Amino acid sequence: QQQVKQSPQSLIVQKGGISIINCAYENTAFDYFPWYQQFPGKGPALLIAIRPDVSEKKEGRFTISFNKSAKQFSLHIMDSQPGDSATYFCAASRYVQGAQKLVFGQGTRLTINP
Amino acid sequence: KAGVTQTPRYLIKTRGQQVTLSCSPISGHRSVSWYQQTPGQGLQFLFEYFSETQRNKGNFPGRFSGRQFSNSRSEMNVSTLELGDSALYLCASSPDGTGTYEQYFGPGTRLTVT
Repeated sequence: QQQVKQSPQSLIVQKGGISIINCAYENTAFDYFPWYQQFPGKGPALLIAIRPDVSEKKEGRFTISFNKSAKQFSLHIMDSQPGDSATYFCAASRYVQGAQKLVFGQGTRLTINP
Repeated sequence: KAGVTQTPRYLIKTRGQQVTLSCSPISGHRSVSWYQQTPGQGLQFLFEYFSETQRNKGNFPGRFSGRQFSNSRSEMNVSTLELGDSALYLCASSPDGTGTYEQYFGPGTRLTVT
């Protein structure tokens, strides 16, 4: 119930291509779905987030697609650039005892080849 | 505004010892969460503090504890260190932890237990 499953574990994409990372969840109480980007030696940084009442959210080259009935959501990176090479984490959040509680996927190591 | 700061950045301890890690949230943020990041388990929630009170706790043994001070700075303590406690410990802050879902992460403290 608490898990968020993320795939693939690693992904190699050519520069200019589309990177797609998928996540699935079980607990329908989750009400916020952020994606984080983490570079080596740094903490995760919020990239983009979506709530379940929206099926898609786009910010620049980054798009989240959300399928509530399938309990799946995905991150699409258009025109992928070498600077996008990082580890990406999906997460799901719900209210527990008056506070947000984030559950993270296992992460995807993305490499963009120049 | 300065970001979340964590000290120390790197730490080497011996099995059986105890360790204290420190986190200073973004100015004005009152909620502080702690996470453990390992290659095998990914990012796992430890606990969250708001106004000096622990509101949420993850599934970690009692050797892991924390506290928050009146200025919102937080510390986490791990007693009787085990080899498996080697990890990157991340602190994240948010304004109030209630209506706001965005968490800002620090760079982490890399703990190595030998």
